[in-house]
Amino acid sequence: GAGVSQSPRYKVAKRGQDVALRCDPISGHVSLFWYQQALGQGPEFLTYFQNEAQLDKSGLPSDRFFAERPEGSVSTLKIQRTQQEDSAVYLCASSLKGVGTSHSYEQYFGPGTRLTVT
Amino acid sequence: AQTVTQSQPEMSVQEAETVTLSCTYDTSENNYYLFWYKQPPSRQMILVIRQEAYKQQNATENRFSVNFQKAAKSFSLKISDSQLGDTAMYFCAFFFHYGGATNKLIFGTGTLLAVQP
Repeated sequence: GAGVSQSPRYKVAKRGQDVALRCDPISGHVSLFWYQQALGQGPEFLTYFQNEAQLDKSGLPSDRFFAERPEGSVSTLKIQRTQQEDSAVYLCASSLKGVGTSHSYEQYFGPGTRLTVT
Repeated sequence: AQTVTQSQPEMSVQEAETVTLSCTYDTSENNYYLFWYKQPPSRQMILVIRQEAYKQQNATENRFSVNFQKAAKSFSLKISDSQLGDTAMYFCAFFFHYGGATNKLIFGTGTLLAVQP
C-alpha cells in the first residue's frame, strides 16, 4: 500500500511569507506526528494528533506555527511570517496505534518537505 | 525528561565487515521502546530495528542486531556483513507511551555511516 506522502517536497519562501505543508498519512493510521529536522541534526517533535484531536503541541516553536487535521486523515502544518530559522526539513509520520501490540507504535515517515527561507 | 545520546558523529566500515553504532539514553521510566532508524542521503527515514524494554532478548533483523543493556541504558546497533546500501545516517530513538496524551519519538543526533568498497 501507499506510504506517507508529503507535499511539496521543496519549498522556497521569502522571509515573512506564509507557507502550508501537507501530509497524507497511511490510510487508517490513527496517529500523526510532525517533526522538524535541522541540517545535520535528529528530528525534533513538533506536534501530535490522534485522529482529528491535537493532543500535544508542546514542540511548536512559536505561535507562528499551526497544525490541523480536521477530518482525521490529511494534515497541514502552517507557518506564518516565515523566518530564516524556520529553514529545515519538516517530517510527517503516522502510526497505527492499535492496542496490545508494540508494532502499533511504529512510526512510518514521509519523505519530508525541505523549507528554505531566504 | 528523556534524552538520547549518540557519541559517534561519523563512522566508516569496509564492505563485508561488521560495525557497531553506540547509543545511550536517560529515562526514569521502566516500560518504553527503542528504535534504530536509517536515513539514506536524500531519502526518507525507515525503521531498521525495534526493542521493547520489557524484553530481555536482544532484537535481530537479518544483518542487524542490537545489544540492549537496560541497567546501563545502552542500546547499540551491530551491522554485520556491511553493504554499500547501508551508507546512511542512523538515528537512535526512544519512545514512551504516555497513555494517549503524549506520544513522540526522541531522537539522538545521529551517526553518519559510510561503507567503503
